[in-house]
Amino acid sequence: QVQLVQSGAEVKKPGASVKVSCKASGYIFTNYAIHWVRQVPGQRPEWMGWINAGNGLTRYSQSLQGRLIITRDTSASTAYMELSSLRSEDTAVYYCARLFYYDSSGHLPAFDIWAQGTKVTVSS
Amino acid sequence: ENVLTQSPGTLSLSPGERVTLSCRASQSVTSTYLAWYQQRPGQAPRLLMYGASSRAAGVPDRFSGSGSGTDFTLTITRLEPEDFAVYFCQQFGSSPQTFGQGTKVEIK
Repeated sequence: QVQLVQSGAEVKKPGASVKVSCKASGYIFTNYAIHWVRQVPGQRPEWMGWINAGNGLTRYSQSLQGRLIITRDTSASTAYMELSSLRSEDTAVYYCARLFYYDSSGHLPAFDIWAQGTKVTVSS
Repeated sequence: ENVLTQSPGTLSLSPGERVTLSCRASQSVTSTYLAWYQQRPGQAPRLLMYGASSRAAGVPDRFSGSGSGTDFTLTITRLEPEDFAVYFCQQFGSSPQTFGQGTKVEIK
């Protein structure tokens, strides 16, 4: 079945970097974009950025520009999210999600598949 | 950015009741770019509605969505035990895409 599976929980010290993987299965990886969203418990989800899994084009949230890098390995059908210079405010659950267009003209977008999430804790 | 404000913050209801959730945008959103998600505790969000009013695959028909411009609504006609969760709206119409803060539907 179509699914995304992320790597496990991480505990990092302030100033360190974290890299989370998101492995796709059940569909053609390069046909869809993968987005990254993070969520502090009890708060609204925050969109972080995305990658076109086909051509590798990326776009990042302005608030994370300079600290966030999203990459992909098409041979492994896996996307990666690396966040550097971590601070306590980056403690959150990080999700990858597939962007699906329900209309062939590029309209009706939605995140139809989500991975299980990866808890990242930043603490000294 | 387009700020989505959901109301109410929490609803305490009983199974079988009807519930209406609101999502108000600070800037107009084309309805084709508005989605709703359900999130149960400890789980990832699950897509419920896209294009404001179209149900995603497998979503029961007790869920419906409507709205346009800056005001959107998600309605659950008869609450089932599995519907007690947090609901988020999301807009893709302007960058950055944004989410509402969520409405929690809890058992009374």
